[in-house]
Order: sequence, then structure tokens, then C-alpha cells
Amino acid sequence: AAGVIQSPRHLIKEKRETATLKCYPIPRHDTVYWYQQGPGQDPQFLISFYEKMQSDKGSIPDRFSAQQFSDYHSELNMSSLELGDSALYFCASSTRFTGEETQYFGPGTRLLVL
Amino acid sequence: DQQVKQNSPSLSVQEGRISILNCDYTNSMFDYFLWYKKYPAEGPTFLISISSIKDKNEDGRFTVFLNKSAKHLSLHIVPSQPGDSAVYFCAASEKAMGGSEKLVFGKGMKLTVNP
Repeated sequence: AAGVIQSPRHLIKEKRETATLKCYPIPRHDTVYWYQQGPGQDPQFLISFYEKMQSDKGSIPDRFSAQQFSDYHSELNMSSLELGDSALYFCASSTRFTGEETQYFGPGTRLLVL
Repeated sequence: DQQVKQNSPSLSVQEGRISILNCDYTNSMFDYFLWYKKYPAEGPTFLISISSIKDKNEDGRFTVFLNKSAKHLSLHIVPSQPGDSAVYFCAASEKAMGGSEKLVFGKGMKLTVNP
């Protein structure tokens, strides 16, 4: 079965640079979530989109923005990168159609800010 | 304040025996609970879930029990296999204002199943 695809898998940036992470949800999933997992931490909810509209925001810095496109893929844009942004970024997708919104996660993008 | 707690950072069991992973939560608004398994450098893999209206859900070797009054859930794996060795995250879902289900994770617990 098709899974959530994230690209790139690894990314190295320098401080103050920008980064764009991409997420392709499972086909026919209408909701996308972004999570950030710092070293030794649990994943923290950043933001979600339902049917291409922002649904909810968590602990997402103002330097970050995201959107969901007409084909349901989502991009997380990160600007003015800081050392503390180094983390694993997971995308997850789900569908409200079945009534139980189990979130399925992608493999993650490991971002290292130098 | 950690709303989902996995108080044991690790568990080691013998192959063939039962593994019991525990999770406590504080937010009574959580309406859906999930267990994820995670290997290093991979995303969390969904294992099993339970709705707040149920007290047990079983899927093969995996059973999740929910005790709402105690705000406690547990994952039972029986029989345990070496391939089950991974970090297990307990997660709780809360309907956010925009309608999506925001997941709140515990810190994870490392399970080691010895051959």
C-alpha cells in the first residue's frame, strides 16, 4: 500500500538559510499534519491542513509557514533557520471519511542546521 | 506539562513472553488513543488504536486496554518476538478547534525482546 512520502530525507543548512520540506500524503487522504521531533524528544505537533485549508496550529514558530496544494501535497517552509531547528520533521496524513482519523506517518526529514 | 506519560523508559523481555507497555494521560478530552512503533531514522509506524468508548481492542498479537476512570492504557504484545524490539510511543488524540485530530505523544519506551 502507498505510504506517506517525504522529501528530502536529509537536509543540511546553515544558520539564517531557508529550507522547504515536502510531504505527499497517502492517496485519498484529506488531512496532513506536520510534527517536529527534537533529539531525545517526543514528536510535537506543528500545524495541520484539511482539504487544502489550514486547520490547526501548534507550536510552530512564526519563521515557519506551510500550505497544502490542490493535489493535497504539503510544503513546510522554514526561514531564518536557527541551530535549534535541527530535528526530525514528520508529516502524517489521515482521512475523515472512515470516522477514525488514524494518522500515518512518513519516514521524516532530518534537518541539520550548522 | 506532559499530558501523555510513559513512565518507564525501557523494558526488556524474553522472546515468547508477554510485553506490557503502560501509558497514563491527564486530559479527559482525549477521545482516541494510538500506539506507534518507531525504529531509528524512520517514521512512527501505526500499530493499534482504541476509541474512548471502548475498553479493549485486539489485533493479532497486539491488544490495547483502556481504563478511562484511571486514565490509563496499556499495550500487550504476546508472544513477544525479537522483531518487536523498537521504541513504542503512546499517543492521544484530541479534536482541535479546526476539526483536525492533534496527536499528543508520550516520551516513548524502548522495548528489547531477547532471543
